[in-house]
Amino acid sequence: SQTIHQWPATLVQPVGSPLSLECTVEGTSNPNLYWYRQAAGRGLQLLFYSVGIGQISSEVPQNLSASRPQDRQFILSSKKLLLSDSGFYLCAWSGGPRNNEQFFGPGTRLTVL
Amino acid sequence: AQSVAQPEDQVNVAEGNPLTVKCTYSVSGNPYLFWYVQYPNRGLQFLLKYITGDNLVKGSYGFEAEFNKSQTSFHLKKPSALVSDSALYFCAVRDGGGGSYIPTFGRGTSLIVHP
Repeated sequence: SQTIHQWPATLVQPVGSPLSLECTVEGTSNPNLYWYRQAAGRGLQLLFYSVGIGQISSEVPQNLSASRPQDRQFILSSKKLLLSDSGFYLCAWSGGPRNNEQFFGPGTRLTVL
Repeated sequence: AQSVAQPEDQVNVAEGNPLTVKCTYSVSGNPYLFWYVQYPNRGLQFLLKYITGDNLVKGSYGFEAEFNKSQTSFHLKKPSALVSDSALYFCAVRDGGGGSYIPTFGRGTSLIVHP
């Protein structure tokens, strides 16, 4: 069966520090991968998605970047965190377009102070 | 363009009573519709989907949803609510007519089931 991992689970970082969040998927190949941010107000904001190694699409211009160095690895990064980067970050995967539902990781709670 | 609306921020229901969480959508082509549930400090869990076929879709944990094309709705239902059903529920839509495979999520509805 497929599983998705995210780490760390929680993170407290000072403003201006770098960020690296990692997401890995097991039990499937060539997944579509997604990074979302969920603010306290509850809605999901799509940040990045990827259909393959090295292929990244950005949905919202921001202080963040994403990379996909391996088929089942998706990394969210920032060189300098802002207060507004605080939130709950969710990684998700889905199969090809015919397998439409997404499967979400447990999330990372990021607090920028 | 595609969009989804969850008109209720919060739904309150007594345990044992039926529950409905509302969702309406807008897409250019055929709608692919999804419901997810999120418990506090957890990721979203897939509940059910409508792609084609029967308008009544059954999913996990006793939930079901009814696709209504004329009303462009996909309401989530359960005949008898449990306290453990209290969570945040998201409806999502994708245009099955081609183009982007990225779904659009609603803002979520908080379901509170009272003992």
